[in-house]
Amino acid sequence: DQQVKQNSPSLSVQEGRISILNCDYTNSMFDYFLWYKKYPAEGPTFLISISSIKDKNEDGRFTVFLNKSAKHLSLHIVPSQPGDSAVYFCAASGSSGGSNYKLTFGKGTLLTVNP
Amino acid sequence: NAGVTQTPKFRVLKTGQSMTLLCAQDMNHEYMYWYRQDPGMGLRLIHYSVGEGTTAKGEVPDGYNVSRLKKQNFLLGLESAAPSQTSVYFCASKQPNTEAFFGQGTRLTVV
Repeated sequence: DQQVKQNSPSLSVQEGRISILNCDYTNSMFDYFLWYKKYPAEGPTFLISISSIKDKNEDGRFTVFLNKSAKHLSLHIVPSQPGDSAVYFCAASGSSGGSNYKLTFGKGTLLTVNP
Repeated sequence: NAGVTQTPKFRVLKTGQSMTLLCAQDMNHEYMYWYRQDPGMGLRLIHYSVGEGTTAKGEVPDGYNVSRLKKQNFLLGLESAAPSQTSVYFCASKQPNTEAFFGQGTRLTVV
């Protein structure tokens, strides 16, 4: 049973526009959420995170929004650049007990930013 | 600062052969992980460790064994490789309540 879901396998946007990547989770013990970016033939790299005590976290062009009641988070990239083209993974973990140990990933969304 | 280093980067095995993948981290992280990435499947957790001398099963542990004899190293073993284990393997490490850092990956093909 998938605990972290990224329902869009791919997304294509024009350079300069906004990219919105979505993620849903089912485990109510999750309270720490992360986004990773992955280029081909490289390991995933950390992009941005958010704790459940917040509903928004911003870092430059990247903003993550968390809606705890809907168990939904989204990553906004504004403005999108061709170099942002990559696979984006949503991940989640708990902050206490056994759920703190693991980082559970979604299946990823391939973002293509067209010049 | 090397971060997380995986050895080897590529390997081709014949069915039934064994091998060990090595992961080394120089960040003094407590937790270490082995994931596999397959097309359309995302990153699936094989085994993990929450400290030196400890290991635990993840989502897809069958056919793999692990050991963490030293805090900085996490080894993933395949005793008898099968074509279903053809994948890209990623090691990661982290501290509690922080982000994980990943290695560059090992591309394994079992023929």
